[in-house]
Amino acid sequence: ETGVTQTPRHLVMGMTNKKSLKCEQHLGHNAMYWYKQSAKKPLELMFVYNFKEQTENNSVPSRFSPECPNSSHLFLHLHTLQPEDSALYLCASSQGGASETQYFGPGTRLLVL
Amino acid sequence: GQQVMQIPQYQHVQEGEDFTTYCNSSTTLSNIQWYKQRPGGHPVFLIQLVKSGEVKKQKRLTFQFGEAKKNSSLHITATQTTDVGTYFCAGLTSGTYKYIFGTGTRLKVLA
Repeated sequence: ETGVTQTPRHLVMGMTNKKSLKCEQHLGHNAMYWYKQSAKKPLELMFVYNFKEQTENNSVPSRFSPECPNSSHLFLHLHTLQPEDSALYLCASSQGGASETQYFGPGTRLLVL
Repeated sequence: GQQVMQIPQYQHVQEGEDFTTYCNSSTTLSNIQWYKQRPGGHPVFLIQLVKSGEVKKQKRLTFQFGEAKKNSSLHITATQTTDVGTYFCAGLTSGTYKYIFGTGTRLKVLA
């Protein structure tokens, strides 16, 4: 499936680094999401964008900064992360609002040293 | 806050045996979705249930939404090795704009 792509697929960073995760959807959807998936924890919704506007910030620390320049692209800027931020970060998109099916990207496996 | 729990957390079955995972919400849901995540993969949408008591089938998979719309189940008949993965439910509460994912059930099928 290539409807939702994410880069990079793997990332190792130190706690003082700044990096960005990129997500692109080719499905013509209007909503995009960032999720965090840690071992032995349920998927945690981080941010939701509808028509480029942020509609949800699920109490995410400010060291995670999302950006949605258009309906097809979503970024997650990372700075001064902690080792406990190591996880799989998944991007998803849906046609419209919350009741729509979400299509997930392959994820970025992040390791913070 | 709202919680969505799934049981069991893990399940190992012999190929050909049946499997069921249960999803329970602390609040009434508008609808519920089910996703499957293969090892090393990402969640893939399986189905959405909307009506109270609704039952849907996809080949060997049967999905059910409880009458009170607070629980759901996924039943797989005669499991195959291709069924291996983690099954997540995701519930949407009325008036909210986000799905709450369940804790997931990891299924392993032994050949």
